[in-house]
Amino acid sequence: QSVLTQPPSVSGAPGQRVTISCTGSSSNIGAGYDVHWYQQLPGTAPKLLIYGNSNRPSGVPDRFSGSKSGTSASLAITGLQAEDEADYYCQSYDSSLSGLYVFGTGTKVTVL
Amino acid sequence: EVQLVESGGGLVQPGGSLRLSCAASGFTFSSYEMNWVRQAPGKGLEWVSYISSSGSTIYYADSVKGRFTISRDNAKNSLYLQMNSLRAEDTAVYYCARDMIRYFDIWGQGTMVTVSS
Repeated sequence: QSVLTQPPSVSGAPGQRVTISCTGSSSNIGAGYDVHWYQQLPGTAPKLLIYGNSNRPSGVPDRFSGSKSGTSASLAITGLQAEDEADYYCQSYDSSLSGLYVFGTGTKVTVL
Repeated sequence: EVQLVESGGGLVQPGGSLRLSCAASGFTFSSYEMNWVRQAPGKGLEWVSYISSSGSTIYYADSVKGRFTISRDNAKNSLYLQMNSLRAEDTAVYYCARDMIRYFDIWGQGTMVTVSS
């Protein structure tokens, strides 16, 4: 049921920069709705990482940044650290009849 | 501390029913919209249902419409999900999540629902 597409996996060495794309459509990201990002560490609940396309909640390191353009969004992690190994999901609002909120397919980040 | 704690999960046979609860603490529950989100084993996140702060506005994902009912009791700081006619594909961890202008800022730890004979 996911309508936001993410790459299944990305990887990088410690200290490197990785990016995760999130591609939507004209009923969600392309319609101007904000994109939000969540980090899910193994065996835990998701945690809000980025809200409103590029805003970090208190406590989230500035190594994490978000952006949005057209029907897509991106999450960047700079200075990759071992503790960043997790699943990452984008999320947006959808104006179609099939649902209210949509999530991305999820991306597994592996620190080499 | 702002917290959401789910309960009520378990093993249920196909066609059976289950009621999940989510207890909120540390914030004014009645002021916030709430949601249920689920995650099947090894799969991604799926939004399930939304309820407004007063309970007057409700939405469901197509996959659960007509089978699941979301409700809340603001006097008890609690959110509920009544799940009927359960199917194997409803097997998942169910999270309650606080809605903060179209995103989820607080999540519970989740409760596991297994539908199997």
